[in-house]
Amino acid sequence: GQQLNQSPQSMFIQEGEDVSMNCTSSSIFNTWLWYKQDPGEGPVLLIALYKAGELTSNGRLTAQFGTTRKDSFLNISASIPSDVGIYFCAAGTYKYIFGTGTRLKVLA
Amino acid sequence: EADIYQTPRYLVIGTGKKITLECSQTMGHDKMYWYQQDPGMELHLIHYSYGVNSTEKGDLSSESTVSRIRTEHFPLTLESARPSHTSQYLCASSETPPGTGVYEQYFGPGTRLTVT
Repeated sequence: GQQLNQSPQSMFIQEGEDVSMNCTSSSIFNTWLWYKQDPGEGPVLLIALYKAGELTSNGRLTAQFGTTRKDSFLNISASIPSDVGIYFCAAGTYKYIFGTGTRLKVLA
Repeated sequence: EADIYQTPRYLVIGTGKKITLECSQTMGHDKMYWYQQDPGMELHLIHYSYGVNSTEKGDLSSESTVSRIRTEHFPLTLESARPSHTSQYLCASSETPPGTGVYEQYFGPGTRLTVT
């Protein structure tokens, strides 16, 4: 079946550093979504991407919808301790499949 | 955005019991979903609904069942709980921002189910 490969699986960074993560697939998708999930909570939608090549920002977060429609990238600038959590990509149209997650830990 | 409510937040129950996990949303979204997630792992779609009286099974096989009698309510039922059902269950609904043709999916806080 369809699968999203998300990398890195986990990362430790220093506060203030920039973070990059990506999601790739062998299938073409019309929409990419990026979520953050804190322990014991539901995922929170960060950014939605609608068009191939689109670059969208939400505060310190920037995400891009790959031109091939098979990948997406999320960047976090100047990380802070509250950025800790698991970041998931999701791709689809009205139904979504989810990536395996990137676990982010920020060292103060 | 959407206000999505799930109850209970935590449930510990014995094997063989029947349980219903509640999910409600107040935004009138047509599409609703149930996902199953083991701690820290990816989400797997187990059920979805396009609207009232419309339900479909998701990509991950599940022994649970769902119903959609009202737009705002999408409960999930397990007739006989087993330890293998221990997991987090997340409910979501989606809306299409005007002019996008895209479905943005919003999640509730989840129900952590433990079957002993």
